[in-house]
This record gives sequence, C-alpha cells and structure tokens, in this order.
Amino acid sequence: ETGVTQTPRHLVMGMTNKKSLKCEQHLGHNAMYWYKQSAKKPLELMFVYSLEERVENNSVPSRFSPECPNSSHLFLHLHTLQPEDSALYLCASSQATGSDYGYTFGSGTRLTVV
Amino acid sequence: QQQVKQSPQSLIVQKGGISIINCAYENTAFDYFPWYQQFPGKGPALLIAIRPDVSEKKEGRFTISFNKSAKQFSLHIMDSQPGDSATYFCAASRRMDSSYKLIFGSGTRLLVRP
Repeated sequence: ETGVTQTPRHLVMGMTNKKSLKCEQHLGHNAMYWYKQSAKKPLELMFVYSLEERVENNSVPSRFSPECPNSSHLFLHLHTLQPEDSALYLCASSQATGSDYGYTFGSGTRLTVV
Repeated sequence: QQQVKQSPQSLIVQKGGISIINCAYENTAFDYFPWYQQFPGKGPALLIAIRPDVSEKKEGRFTISFNKSAKQFSLHIMDSQPGDSATYFCAASRRMDSSYKLIFGSGTRLLVRP
C-alpha cells in the first residue's frame, strides 16, 4: 500500500468509449498529478492540481479531461481516444508547500485502446 | 525539449558489482534531484534524493554524487543484488508557485545477474 490508490488497474476501451480513471491518496497531500508512461517516452507530466486548482495543463489533447473534486481525489476522464494513447497512466501526490518535494506514485492504470 | 538526460538506457551488472547511472540537467533553477526505482507493474518509488547544496548523499548501498558546476548527478549502487533489477529514473524539480514540477529522465533498465 503506497498511500496512493489507482483504479482500475487495467482498462481496455474502444475508441468511441468514455471511461474514467480514479486516483485516491491517503497521505494528507494537497497536490496531485497525472503522468503518462509509454514504452517510447519517459514519464510525461499531463496535469497538475494544487490545492484543488489546476495549475498546469501540459499541452494535453482535449480527449483527456481531469477533475479534482477535493484534495484526496483525482480523476482522468477519457473519450474518443486513439490507439497511441495506450500507456500506463500514473497518479502521484505531494505536499504543495514546504520543503518536501517528494512525490508518491500509485501503481498506475494500464490502458489499452482498441 | 528534454531537460533531464539520463544514461545508459540499459545496464547489466554482476552480483556484487557497482551500478552507475548518470544524469545531466539544463535548468539551473532546479533545486531538488530525486531518484526513483520502478519494478514491473508498480509505480515509481522514491529511492534517494539530494539538494544542490551538498555534493554527495549516501543511504545504505545507494549514493548520489552531485556536481553543480557540471550540472550532472549520478546514482551509484554498491554491492548490486538481483533484487535491485528494476528501472531507475532520475528527476529534477523546482518550486512552481503553489506546486512542484518533477521532470524525469528517460530511465535506465538495470539487470543484476546472480
């Protein structure tokens, strides 16, 4: 148990489907992040939420839509994805302030778009 | 633009040997340099981290060496064990208003042979 829980662990979806990824952290952190990890590219930052406000959208296509209803929960809503969006999607959390910069990652959701 | 360059891509070491992974960064505003370890099916986990005001940090068999003038840092794994076989990511971070932003290297896949 890393303190950051992601569900589902695996997801297969068609290009016309709509699905959502969920992340929950139990660490009392107030910043949350979505990263994409694929075989060909390093960990790519997608979105940053700090104190429940989106502070960064790293040029991510609009078919990915994040939602952060509170400091413990983060969602990634998916619609009309492409096969190249197949990847491991990782959620992380951290403190937004102070001197502790460490991220805690979840185990990820393995997404396959068919 | 890749702000953190990591090498080698893969590394094979005999049990008991020293594993060395190198990283270089470009942005002098970075002020926190962590290393993450990732096993298959898991998210990255923080291994060890250093700030630029020190040149070396050691935790057990893991040591970070930091060269601020060269903008380089490296991870040394002493007495490498088969259980150390994993993918290692260096990263660099700086404070961004109300959050931190971690930029990752491309990863090094380490295999320690028994």
